[in-house]
Amino acid sequence: KQEVTQIPAALSVPEGENLVLNCSFTDSAIYNLQWFRQDPGKGLTSLLLIQSSQREQTSGRLNASLDKSSGRSTLYIAASQPGDSATYLCAVSPISGGYQKVTFGTGTKLQVIP
Amino acid sequence: DAGVIQSPRHEVTEMGQEVTLRCKPISGHNSLFWYRQTMMRGLELLIYFNNNVPIDDSGMPEDRFSAKMPNASFSTLKIQPSEPRDSAVYFCASSLRLAGGNYEQYFGPGTRLTVT
Repeated sequence: KQEVTQIPAALSVPEGENLVLNCSFTDSAIYNLQWFRQDPGKGLTSLLLIQSSQREQTSGRLNASLDKSSGRSTLYIAASQPGDSATYLCAVSPISGGYQKVTFGTGTKLQVIP
Repeated sequence: DAGVIQSPRHEVTEMGQEVTLRCKPISGHNSLFWYRQTMMRGLELLIYFNNNVPIDDSGMPEDRFSAKMPNASFSTLKIQPSEPRDSAVYFCASSLRLAGGNYEQYFGPGTRLTVT
């Protein structure tokens, strides 16, 4: 059974800092990995999707990397802003030819202090 | 598009009552998911539909839970009878198949259920 862990559970940084969020998964047979953002009382918003054959994806100040062999992914946020404050979740999809049974991580709650 | 629409946004009910949660997926999406989120267990997949057909309901906690998708634009998640331990936020998501075979899920705002 796939297990996805995110460390730390919570992180507080001053505005402007660069930061890294970590995600680890136990079964490396994944189809893709996604990073989501969840604001309080809201649903999840997809940030980045990395296919299993890719090493990284970038969107603006966000960069996500994937090391399938070690079962790890990182989300790098450059020049953090208070608006980045949210919970960040990673999620992996299994290799099942289009099957979408996504397993979510436990999340990292980020607070960026002005 | 208005995105994934869920109703109600909040539901407070007494133990033993029937609860029905509703979801309208994004038009054109052919997969729909029901998730439950709690502090203790995080985000869990309950059931997944593809082209209105249930594909995997192994996450449904017990027989008190049932889900239907009568057409491409509507789905329900029903709990009968409800229990206090069912209190959680229930999310509906729909997905679109992207080039390369990947899927990107779009989440609704969730229904916060409280069972007293």
